[in-house]
Amino acid sequence: GDSVTQMEGPVTLSEEAFLTINCTYTATGYPSLFWYVQYPGEGLQLLLKATKADDKGSNKGFEATYRKETTSFHLEKGSVQVSDSAVYFCALNPSTGNQFYFGTGTSLTVIP
Amino acid sequence: SAVISQKPSRDICQRGTSLTIQCQVDSQVTMMFWYRQQPGQSLTLIATANQGSEATYESGFVIDKFPISRPNLTFSTLTVSNMSPEDSSIYLCSVGDRLNTEAFFGQGTRLTVV
Repeated sequence: GDSVTQMEGPVTLSEEAFLTINCTYTATGYPSLFWYVQYPGEGLQLLLKATKADDKGSNKGFEATYRKETTSFHLEKGSVQVSDSAVYFCALNPSTGNQFYFGTGTSLTVIP
Repeated sequence: SAVISQKPSRDICQRGTSLTIQCQVDSQVTMMFWYRQQPGQSLTLIATANQGSEATYESGFVIDKFPISRPNLTFSTLTVSNMSPEDSSIYLCSVGDRLNTEAFFGQGTRLTVV
């Protein structure tokens, strides 16, 4: 079945460090892929998305490229800030379904 | 986009009691989704609520434990019945956009059962 495997955390980085959070997926067809972010005490917010192979989603300095050949959608940011501290969820929406499938989430803490 | 108001935002409940969580959307949507997020875990879909029909439950979740109402296209409730400490979680309401290409979430209800 459809699923998402996400790099386990927690991750602690110094401000301005480079961030990578790995995400791979299993799906039939051509799913859409997402990264959601959950700040402390809040619900999930869409960070970025990509709907087809080779698409790059980007927002707030974060990027992720839909790689069909490696079934991956890794999240990257060149220089993290303290305000990026949150839990990040990789997710997919199958091409034929209504349900979203989420990874286990990766907690990121950025220290000054 | 959709704005979702969920309440209560948090509650502490005695075991054996029930809690009803409300979810209000600022636009009409066909499907609403209820998720559970246990401490340190990912989101698990409980059920999909369609207006005018019974909710569809995922494996491991039953209507007697998590009854859902969907009286109209902008509102739904989830009840957590006969609660035990194992029900302590964050419960999230979610809707998709018209083409279900994006999911929107309420801020969640943080439930603690003592």
